[in-house]
Amino acid sequence: QSALTQPRSVSGSPGQSVTISCTGTSSDVGGYNYVSWYQQYPGKAPKLMIYDVTKRPSGVPDRFSGSKSGNTASLTISGLQSEDEADYYCCSYAGSYAWVFGGGTKLTVL
Amino acid sequence: QVQLVQPGPEVKKPGASVKVSCKASGYTFNNYGVSWVRQAPGQGLEWMGWINAYNGNTIYAQKFQGRLTTTTDTSMLTVYMELRNLRSDDTAVYYCARGGPVVIPSYAMDVWGQGTTVTVSS
Repeated sequence: QSALTQPRSVSGSPGQSVTISCTGTSSDVGGYNYVSWYQQYPGKAPKLMIYDVTKRPSGVPDRFSGSKSGNTASLTISGLQSEDEADYYCCSYAGSYAWVFGGGTKLTVL
Repeated sequence: QVQLVQPGPEVKKPGASVKVSCKASGYTFNNYGVSWVRQAPGQGLEWMGWINAYNGNTIYAQKFQGRLTTTTDTSMLTVYMELRNLRSDDTAVYYCARGGPVVIPSYAMDVWGQGTTVTVSS
């Protein structure tokens, strides 16, 4: 199972929007509506931000949204804030109780 | 509150084994599965395997088959991950994370342990 493909880094200014892509295959991202996104600060455990492609857990700001088209999923963060600066990982269910992560994207808030 | 608690750091020699625990609290243990995810220094997240806490069924990433075993102790509400024949490139933070379709149809990892650092060094 190969890792999903994410850009290594993205950046944006406060108040702007950024989108992080996550490309897989028809065996994972394209085959299931079970893409999730995680935010991770240095030295901390990941935190679930989006699940089932578009759903937000309780407590996650609505500035965070997810979508999917074909084999590519996306995380969009609107109204960027300084505290959004972190690493972001996508993850997809790949069938047969297996999951695969993306390589991670470092978000810099300028 | 819902949480997964992991032990402190471990230091092991090459060729040894490590067993990391993950104690659950605040939810019905048997209703969820648990994944193990590791993160090498400066690297991304890597899914290792999953265990169904209801019936003990396991799935391992191909990369770890033959070296990885995950088990549960339902009386202790604890999941264990044992990795054998350790190499220097197994040095990483190992996380447990709740999720996976068991009684609850969950396909995301919604609760994470704080991580256990495993260092493999001679």
